[in-house]
Amino acid sequence: KNEVEQSPQNLTAQEGEFITINCSYSVGISALHWLQQHPGGGIVSLFMLSSGKKKHGRLIATINIQEKHSSLHITASHPRDSAVYICAARSTDKLIFGTGTRLQVFP
Amino acid sequence: DTEVTQTPKHLVMGMTNKKSLKCEQHMGHRAMYWYKQKAKKPPELMFVYSYEKLSINESVPSRFSPECPNSSLLNLHLHALQPEDSALYLCASSARSGYGYTFGSGTRLTVV
Repeated sequence: KNEVEQSPQNLTAQEGEFITINCSYSVGISALHWLQQHPGGGIVSLFMLSSGKKKHGRLIATINIQEKHSSLHITASHPRDSAVYICAARSTDKLIFGTGTRLQVFP
Repeated sequence: DTEVTQTPKHLVMGMTNKKSLKCEQHMGHRAMYWYKQKAKKPPELMFVYSYEKLSINESVPSRFSPECPNSSLLNLHLHALQPEDSALYLCASSARSGYGYTFGSGTRLTVV
């Protein structure tokens, strides 16, 4: 079993839909990162969370430390949101990556 | 400047070649990382430099040789690679080890 699990693995949506991606982890962490990767491209850091909730534009990330669970929400999804979303748990000096959620948003 | 710049963006090399990947940041970050990413897989950590010293080597084969000449620059020297080493090589930096990562756009390496 992976130390960081994401669901779903693949997600398709119509433009405008509300999207939720979930991340569960089994290790002790000091922070949890949400990352975005477009096809063939580099990685963009979206959020770093150690507690509570953060919002940036249409993106919202939450974390529940007791339940070892985090969610990434996208409101009013758009085709340009199509990418792989990766959650990564920071444990000691390392990032432990989830396997990613591939999101496709259709017009 | 809030970027990590990687060069080249694409590299094709033969198994007998020697080449280098370069990573540069001017954010004053003191930790720098090399990751390897195969298609449809998450990145795998290769090396961590903290304050210009190698702090983590994830049992990477010696045909990969990292170098950190100064606090802004990280190199990955490649020699006698195998076709299975073909991957996207990502560099990242953070203000201190493990905190607030900035990733580069990667070098796509093909070994022929």
